[in-house]
Amino acid sequence: AQSVTQLDSHVSVSEGTPVLLRCNYSSSYSPSLFWYVQHPNKGLQLLLKYTSAATLVKGINGFEAEFKKSETSFHLTKPSAHMSDAAEYFCVVSARSGGYNKLIFGAGTRLAVHP
Amino acid sequence: DSGVTQTPKHLITATGQRVTLRCSPRSGDLSVYWYQQSLDQGLQFLIQYYNGEERAKGNILERFSAQQFPDLHSELNLSSLELGDSALYFCASSNPGQLTDTQYFGPGTRLTVL
Repeated sequence: AQSVTQLDSHVSVSEGTPVLLRCNYSSSYSPSLFWYVQHPNKGLQLLLKYTSAATLVKGINGFEAEFKKSETSFHLTKPSAHMSDAAEYFCVVSARSGGYNKLIFGAGTRLAVHP
Repeated sequence: DSGVTQTPKHLITATGQRVTLRCSPRSGDLSVYWYQQSLDQGLQFLIQYYNGEERAKGNILERFSAQQFPDLHSELNLSSLELGDSALYFCASSNPGQLTDTQYFGPGTRLTVL
């Protein structure tokens, strides 16, 4: 069965320092993986996605993620945090179950950015 | 603004009642997805419709149903409501409709069941 685990529920960084949000996945086949961001009282926005092309994926707002099959990881990084990056981030894996395709969301990582 | 609209923004109702949530996708998008976000369960994919037909199914309860109309808007019907159904319900849309596509999310409908 497919699953996704976000290893940190909360991450706190200072403005201008690097961001690392960790995600591990479990999948019986080559998955598609996504990172979404949710700002307070807003809907979700796609940051980036991996669909079996280049393993290093660049997204919006300076974020990127690297697909590492050997480690079953898809960590999200950004070289320099900005105050506007404070939000909740979700790692998502596509899955197939019972004849249907579906998306499975991680529990989320809340990123706080301090001045 | 994603271009996806959801009504109403807030809904307060009582246990045992039935409600309908409405979603209008982005212009040109054929696929509509419904999600539930709650403190207990996190974010869960409920169901996907593509051009009027059910395409993918997630953790949708039997008390819940959805449909997509010829003008492509979608409705999520929740019946026999329970306290645990209180959540934020999101709609998203994409084109053409694979789960690997970028999905554009609406602002959500916050349902409170008292």
